[in-house]
Amino acid sequence: EAGVAQSPRYKIIEKRQSVAFWCNPISGHATLYWYQQILGQGPKLLIQFQNNGVVDDSQLPKDRFSAERLKGVDSTLKIQPAKLEDSAVYLCASSLRGLAGAPNTGELFFGEGSRLTVL
Amino acid sequence: KNQVEQSPQSLIILEGKNCTLQCNYTVSPFSNLRWYKQDTGRGPVSLTIMTFSENTKSNGRYTATLDADTKQSSLHITASQLSDSASYICVVSAGVGGGSYIPTFGRGTSLIVHP
Repeated sequence: EAGVAQSPRYKIIEKRQSVAFWCNPISGHATLYWYQQILGQGPKLLIQFQNNGVVDDSQLPKDRFSAERLKGVDSTLKIQPAKLEDSAVYLCASSLRGLAGAPNTGELFFGEGSRLTVL
Repeated sequence: KNQVEQSPQSLIILEGKNCTLQCNYTVSPFSNLRWYKQDTGRGPVSLTIMTFSENTKSNGRYTATLDADTKQSSLHITASQLSDSASYICVVSAGVGGGSYIPTFGRGTSLIVHP
């Protein structure tokens, strides 16, 4: 079974430039997440999709970040314009929408991440 | 507000020794708790999952415990190996109905195993 695919793995840009990250979740996984992980910290949720609808985007800086999952499969996260503090690893994860209480329900499968450096 | 607190922030041990990582949470309504291992430069990978009725679960040299009354979990690593060097993240999920879950992440414990 193919895992979560992300690209690019690494990106270096200057502040005020824009960048886009792409994620293809595991086939059949209805839920897709984007996380921001700053060095030395745990992942911070940016946005959670259920199919092509948004479940939670309360921590997404909407003045500069946007994300879409138009067909309920792959997703794109965009940052425009980038700031120095956006330097981080952007992790995409997916999970099955499962039965309440069922074992292994809700396990997140992560991609390798996209490392962004803003100069 | 749902929160997950982990301790210690970092830990250094010698190869072959045991260690225990802690996780305290305030997540409602509680659905399950997972421990993830994140190697440097990689995405996190699930080690164990525990639901409300489970107290202990093992996965090889990893043993997780859950006390739902005190809302605490621990991850015990036995006979540590160099490959155990990683960040260990506690993730507690709230069930929001319809088969959907919202996970809350801890900041992780960075474990370094020295030879």
